Amino acid sequence: EAGVTQFPSHSVIEKGQTVTLRCDPISGHDNLYWYRRVMGKEIKFLLHFVKESKQDESGMPNNRFLAERTGGTYSTLKVQPAELEDSGVYFCASSQGRAGGYTFGSGTRLTVV
Amino acid sequence: DQQVKQNSPSLSVQEGRISILNCDYTNSMFDYFLWYKKYPAEGPTFLISISSIKDKNEDGRFTVFLNKSAKHLSLHIVPSQPGDSAVYFCAASATNTGTASKLTFGTGTRLQVTL
Repeated sequence: EAGVTQFPSHSVIEKGQTVTLRCDPISGHDNLYWYRRVMGKEIKFLLHFVKESKQDESGMPNNRFLAERTGGTYSTLKVQPAELEDSGVYFCASSQGRAGGYTFGSGTRLTVV
Repeated sequence: DQQVKQNSPSLSVQEGRISILNCDYTNSMFDYFLWYKKYPAEGPTFLISISSIKDKNEDGRFTVFLNKSAKHLSLHIVPSQPGDSAVYFCAASATNTGTASKLTFGTGTRLQVTL
């Protein structure tokens, strides 16, 4: 079984530019989550999809962040325009069922300069 | 306002000895707790979990203890092995809020198991 795949693994962009992160969950997993870890701090929840619907987006920092999940399959997280404080590692996870069954991807390290 | 706290940023333990990682939480709505292990450049990997209806859960070398009155949980690794060297994250969830799967993480404890 393929794991959760995230692309790109690294991205360096200038302040004001746009970046799109992609996540391919495990096939058949209805639940897809985005988390972010900034500078060695805690891993913070961003949002949760159930199939193509946003179940909880309470962790999204502001309206510069836009997440979509096309047809309930892969998901994208767009940051537009990027700011310096958006730097961090963005993790995607998927599960079929309750918490604990999460499988995380390896993350995308975003650096905004 | 950090609801899950791991107050020890690092811990060093000799191979074969017990590693004890601690975690405190403040939100009394949390009723499901998890430990994740993370190696550099990888995503967190689920290790073990415990529901609030239990006070102990064991899986091989890993045991999680939950003290609800103290809002404290701990992860015991016995015996510790060099391959256990990683960052360990404590996480908590409130499963009765409707958004059951949202996890709140601590800042992590870096465990180093020395030879």
